[in-house]
Amino acid sequence: EADIYQTPRYLVIGTGKKITLECSQTMGHDKMYWYQQDPGMELHLIHYSYGVNSTEKGDLSSESTVSRIRTEHFPLTLESARPSHTSQYLCASSQKAARNEKLFFGSGTQLSVL
Amino acid sequence: SQQGEEDPQALSIQEGENATMNCSYKTSINNLQWYRQNSGRGLVHLILIRSNEREKHSGRLRVTLDTSKKSSSLLITASRAADTASYFCATNSGGGADGLTFGKGTHLIIQP
Repeated sequence: EADIYQTPRYLVIGTGKKITLECSQTMGHDKMYWYQQDPGMELHLIHYSYGVNSTEKGDLSSESTVSRIRTEHFPLTLESARPSHTSQYLCASSQKAARNEKLFFGSGTQLSVL
Repeated sequence: SQQGEEDPQALSIQEGENATMNCSYKTSINNLQWYRQNSGRGLVHLILIRSNEREKHSGRLRVTLDTSKKSSSLLITASRAADTASYFCATNSGGGADGLTFGKGTHLIIQP
């Protein structure tokens, strides 16, 4: 069982609201990731981090931002949510510094913007 | 761009039968991984096969890798109702960004 946690599990909000999706891991992993997934579709990498104070954009352009002030914490923020942001957001972390080692995923946050 | 692509998109079999899913990818890889996702949940890592390996086993799972054809297969033997889930293959991103690139997955349904 992976020790990576996402909150909230479900979030329904109105357009224009600022939201932060939380992700924390207790495994001491340096690398963390955010993926976006629509129902029945593939995962798209939107942000990743190599460690504290490191943030990079992924393959899919996203209006969200991330921060990495502590090793265990990698929150994702949307300054002004829109219906097009409705999706599932999955946080993940990996153990090794080498590329492409296995990922540990949280349970995800299902975001619905009305 | 999508790197891994699973086939079939959906598969329904009877409990006890074997399930085979295939994955094709486009660029060279260091390794290929398979993940399982239960409905509405995060992904769980199943198995990793490196580019210099051809076959790997883990319990009821058997993975093959053919780098000349850029393809992999996942075999689940003696399927159980609890195996019902979506299965994704994942490879290193071809675009230079870190992290894994996932296909759309195969949705597997095990009929009791």
